[in-house]
Amino acid sequence: SQTIHQWPATLVQPVGSPLSLECTVEGTSNPNLYWYRQAAGRGLQLLFYSVGIGQISSEVPQNLSASRPQDRQFILSSKKLLLSDSGFYLCAWSVGRLMWNEQFFGPGTRLTVL
Amino acid sequence: GEDVEQSLFLSVREGDSSVINCTYTDSSSTYLYWYKQEPGAGLQLLTYIFSNMDMKQDQRLTVLLNKKDKHLSLRIADTQTGDSAIYFCAETPNYGGSQGNLIFGKGTKLSVKP
Repeated sequence: SQTIHQWPATLVQPVGSPLSLECTVEGTSNPNLYWYRQAAGRGLQLLFYSVGIGQISSEVPQNLSASRPQDRQFILSSKKLLLSDSGFYLCAWSVGRLMWNEQFFGPGTRLTVL
Repeated sequence: GEDVEQSLFLSVREGDSSVINCTYTDSSSTYLYWYKQEPGAGLQLLTYIFSNMDMKQDQRLTVLLNKKDKHLSLRIADTQTGDSAIYFCAETPNYGGSQGNLIFGKGTKLSVKP
C-alpha cells in the first residue's frame, strides 16, 4: 500500500535561518507531488508541484524553493526564513495525468518562525 | 482566475444534520471534492462529484452540485462529535488535461456540540 511521510512533524526556526522539509512516498511510481501551505487564518495554498524528477512548477512567487532529486522524494527549502513563512506545510501525491486526481496528503509539518 | 469560497465556521448539535456550502468560479471545473482535516493531521478525501452529476450520496454524506449557480454543498446526516474537523471544498480547474492541480477553499470548521 502507498504511504507518504513528512518530517519533521514540528519545527521552530529563527528568522534568517535555512529550511529543509522532506517528503517521501512509498508504494507508487512516478507520482505527481505537491507542496501546500496552510497559514493561520488563510486557506490551503498550492506552492509547488512536480510531475517528474527535476521538474518543478511554482504556483506563487515566494521565499521558498522545491526540488525533486528522486522519483518519490520532494524537498521544500529556503535559504533565509521570514516570519511570514510560518504555517502548516502539507505534502501530497497523486498519480496519472487525467482530470480525476485524488490527492493523498501527508501528516504535515508545523513550522514556526520566530 | 479560479476562486473557491466557503463560510469559515459551522456549529451544530450532535444528531442534527450539517450542511457546508461552497461556491466556485471556474465553470469549466470537471471534478469537485470535499476533504476533511482533523486537528493536527493531513487532509483526507471524503467524497467527490463529477460536474455532470447533480447529487451523490455515500452513507451519511450527500453532495449536491448546482452547476448553474456554481454551488456545491456537503450534507452530513446524524452529525457526530467525531465529525468535528475542518472541511475543504476543492475543484480541479480545466487546464486541458494537465495533472489536475486542486484549488482549495479556506475551509469550514465544523464544531459538533454534544
